[in-house]
Amino acid sequence: AQRVTQPEKLLSVFKGAPVELKCNYSYSGSPELFWYVQYSRQRLQLLLRHISRESIKGFTADLNKGETSFHLKKPFAQEEDSAMYYCALKLELGGATNKLIFGTGTLLAVQP
Amino acid sequence: DTEVTQTPKHLVMGMTNKKSLKCEQHMGHRAMYWYKQKAKKPPELMFVYSYEKLSINESVPSRFSPECPNSSLLNLHLHALQPEDSALYLCASSQDPGLLYNEQFFGPGTRLTVL
Repeated sequence: AQRVTQPEKLLSVFKGAPVELKCNYSYSGSPELFWYVQYSRQRLQLLLRHISRESIKGFTADLNKGETSFHLKKPFAQEEDSAMYYCALKLELGGATNKLIFGTGTLLAVQP
Repeated sequence: DTEVTQTPKHLVMGMTNKKSLKCEQHMGHRAMYWYKQKAKKPPELMFVYSYEKLSINESVPSRFSPECPNSSLLNLHLHALQPEDSALYLCASSQDPGLLYNEQFFGPGTRLTVL
């Protein structure tokens, strides 16, 4: 069955510390993975997609097919990074139809 | 205009009321989505419209009725809801459902409370 797992509900770090938000997936096909972020009182927005291999706001995420993981990392956390982070897997359903499956989310709290 | 807009922001309704949620985008996107998000939970997909046709219904109760009048608009008609339907209802759109690697853009949501 297709599934996205984020094992940590809450991750609390100090400003300047490294951050790693874990995401594991289960999918029989070729995965397409995203990280979405939801800041307080703001809309859900895309942070990263695995295909882009880009760094956004200092965050990177590498797809590891062997470990079926797509962990989100940042070397030095900032207070403004505090938000809810969702890992999402895109499922192709055929007929040009797809859907996103979200993990349960990890709340990142960066302490001053 | 590069945003998905949703109205109203907040809605309080009784179990016998009929109301509608509205979503709009002018980015030329051809796929539109309704999600339900309970507090501290991830969004759960309800419906997908692809080229104005309903392509996914995630076994949503019939008291929720989606409608896509044109490529820019998506409505969610509500009737005889239950208190457990209280949640944040999110609308999203994406460029072309057949494209690889196209992201979903989310609206700010409608906070629904059913009394």
